[in-house]
Amino acid sequence: DVKVTQSSRYLVKRTGEKVFLECVQDMDHENMFWYRQDPGLGLRLIYFSYDVKMKEKGDIPEGYSVSREKKERFSLILESASTNQTSMYLCASRTERESADTQYFGPGTRLTVL
Amino acid sequence: QKEVEQNSGPLSVPEGAIASLNCTYSDRGSQSFFWYRQYSGKSPELIMSIYSNGDKEDGRFTAQLNKASQYVSLLIRDSQPSDSATYLCAVGGGHAGNNRKLIWGLGTSLAVNP
Repeated sequence: DVKVTQSSRYLVKRTGEKVFLECVQDMDHENMFWYRQDPGLGLRLIYFSYDVKMKEKGDIPEGYSVSREKKERFSLILESASTNQTSMYLCASRTERESADTQYFGPGTRLTVL
Repeated sequence: QKEVEQNSGPLSVPEGAIASLNCTYSDRGSQSFFWYRQYSGKSPELIMSIYSNGDKEDGRFTAQLNKASQYVSLLIRDSQPSDSATYLCAVGGGHAGNNRKLIWGLGTSLAVNP
C-alpha cells in the first residue's frame, strides 16, 4: 500500500512566522503535490514536483515555496504566515511508472494562523 | 479554462437505496477519471478510476463514463450510513496528454439516512 505521511495533523502559528510542512512518501513516487482545501473552494494546487529538485507552480503559489531535495520528501514553506493561509493542507504523490494518474493523499495538516 | 463540475448537494438518500453522483468536464481530450471519497476532516481516498467508455464495477460502486457527452457518474448500490461523505470527481490526461495534474470538482455531499 502507498503510504503518504505529513509531519503534523494540527498546527497553530502566529502571523509572520515561517512555517514548514513536510510530506514523506514511501513508494518511490516521482511526483508529489501540495494542495490546500477550503470550504466552497475545493482542492487547489499550490505546487507540484515531478522529480527531485524539480518544481512547478500550481494555481495558487503566491506566499508559498517548496523544496524537494530527496525523492521521498516534499516540503511546503510559508515564508511569512498570514491569516488567509489558515487552511487544510494536503500532500499527494503519484508514480510516473504507470500511465494512471492516481494520486494518493496524506492525512492532511490543519493549519491555523493567528 | 478546464473545468470539472459537480452538483454540490447535499444529496440525501435512504439506507439501501441507490445513490447517483454526476460529474461533467470541459476538456474533451481528458483520458482518466477518478472518484474520491472524503469524510469530514479527513483526506480524500480513491474509490474508483475509469479510463474507457462504459461501466466499471467494484463491489457496491459502479463508475460510468461517456466521453462523447463528457460526463462521468458514480452509482452506489445498497447505500449505507457509512457512505455519507463528500465525493470528489477528478479528471486528468487532457491538454497535450499532461497526465501529472488532475482537475478537481468541488465535490458532492452525500447523506445516507438510516
